[in-house]
Amino acid sequence: EIQLQESGPGLVKPSQSLSLTCSVTGYTITSGYDWSWIRKFPGNKMEWMGYISNSGSTNYNPSLKIRISITRDTSKNQFFLQLNSVTTEDTATYYCARGHYGYPFAYWGQGTLVTVSS
Amino acid sequence: AIVLNQSPSSIIASQGEKVTITCRASSSISSNYLHWYQQKPGAFPKLVIYSTSYRASGVPSRFSGSGSGTSYSFTISRVEAEDVATYYCQQGSSNPFTFGSGTKLEIK
Repeated sequence: EIQLQESGPGLVKPSQSLSLTCSVTGYTITSGYDWSWIRKFPGNKMEWMGYISNSGSTNYNPSLKIRISITRDTSKNQFFLQLNSVTTEDTATYYCARGHYGYPFAYWGQGTLVTVSS
Repeated sequence: AIVLNQSPSSIIASQGEKVTITCRASSSISSNYLHWYQQKPGAFPKLVIYSTSYRASGVPSRFSGSGSGTSYSFTISRVEAEDVATYYCQQGSSNPFTFGSGTKLEIK
C-alpha cells in the first residue's frame, strides 16, 4: 500500500526558507504519476503549490514560481519542497500527495503544520 | 487561474437529510477533472468523488456527484453522523489546479 509522510521543521523564521521532505513507501516515484505539494491555510483555503513528475520535470503554481523549488532523491524515494523568503502568510499545513496531471489526488500524507514566526 | 465558487460555506443538517453542495467554475472545466474531497478534523483530505460522478473506492453509495461545464454539485442523499467534515471541490482541468473554499457540514 502506498504511503506518503511529510517531515521537516515546524517553525520557520520570516525571510528564511521552508524545507520539507515527503517520504514515499509502497510505490517508486520514478514509476509514474506526479508528486505534489498542497497546503491548507488557517481558515480552510487550500492551495496546490506544484509537482515533480516521475520523469523529474516540474510544474509550479505561477503564484509561487519565483519562490518555490521541488526536487527529489530517487535513491531514497523522496521528494522535497523548498519555499524561499517566507512570511507569516506561509503559515499552513503542508501536504504531499500523488496525482497525475488533472486527475485526482488519491493519496495524501498526514500533513505537517509549519508556522512562520519570529 | 480558474476560480471555484463553492456554496454554501456551511451546512447544518439532521441525520437522514439530503444535502447538496454546489461548485461553480469561472471557466468551463472538463468533467474528467472535477473532483470532491472530504476532510475530517485532524486528517488529510480523502477523495470521495472523482471525474464529476465516480465514487472512490470504499465510498458509500449515499455520496454522488454530477455536473458539466461550469456547474457541478455534490450530494449526500441521507446524511449520517460520520459525514461531519469539510468538503472541497477541486479542478485539474487548467494549471494551476485549484480548490473551492470548502463547505463545513455539521449535524444538528
